[in-house]
Amino acid sequence: GAGVSQTPSNKVTEKGKYVELRCDPISGHTALYWYRQSLGQGPEFLIYFQGTGAADDSGLPNDRFFAVRPEGSVSTLKIQRTERGDSAVYLCASSLMAGGGTGELFFGEGSRLTVL
Amino acid sequence: AQSVTQPDIHITVSEGASLELRCNYSYGATPYLFWYVQSPGQGLQLLLKYFSGDTLVQGIKGFEAEFKRSQSSFNLRKPSVHWSDAAEYFCAVGARGSTLGRLYFGRGTQLTVWP
Repeated sequence: GAGVSQTPSNKVTEKGKYVELRCDPISGHTALYWYRQSLGQGPEFLIYFQGTGAADDSGLPNDRFFAVRPEGSVSTLKIQRTERGDSAVYLCASSLMAGGGTGELFFGEGSRLTVL
Repeated sequence: AQSVTQPDIHITVSEGASLELRCNYSYGATPYLFWYVQSPGQGLQLLLKYFSGDTLVQGIKGFEAEFKRSQSSFNLRKPSVHWSDAAEYFCAVGARGSTLGRLYFGRGTQLTVWP
């Protein structure tokens, strides 16, 4: 596709359940990022992939959060034992390259997660 | 630690009026600076960015921003606002080097445009 695609666009789950959020980046973009945007706040960095490996996962709030990008393209953010505080919009972004690149991130529309 | 402050949570202007959205940052070195716009149901879109050189940068949709190192500011301006500019605006700072892409965002400024 032309842009970053995120699915599902909306997810409602119950406290304690497991959730997966998927991100399909722009074709050819080697860098992929996950951000979380809580109500009334700006996006907050979670994790960054360069290719298949997580180059920086220091933004993940705790060990219930995990992300993978096994083939260097699509990424999945996984949240175990969801809590009400996990409710937010999860944004995915990709860029042509990190480090020496232009630094422009292309964001998807986000996946809105609601934990009841 | 890096941080971004957008002191105005909500701004209302009349169509055709000028606009300035404030952004102050805290960073240990010269940062990369960005403004993004977020419209309902759409992803964040880059308006403009500052990396180096001329401190007045031009962006899309008629926006510009000026980097003022002495004030640690990167305010966004537009001479004449259009109704379609109503959206939420985020200022962000990024680190140079390998962690480029890890951006620190402000909490955003919601812009309302009156006809």
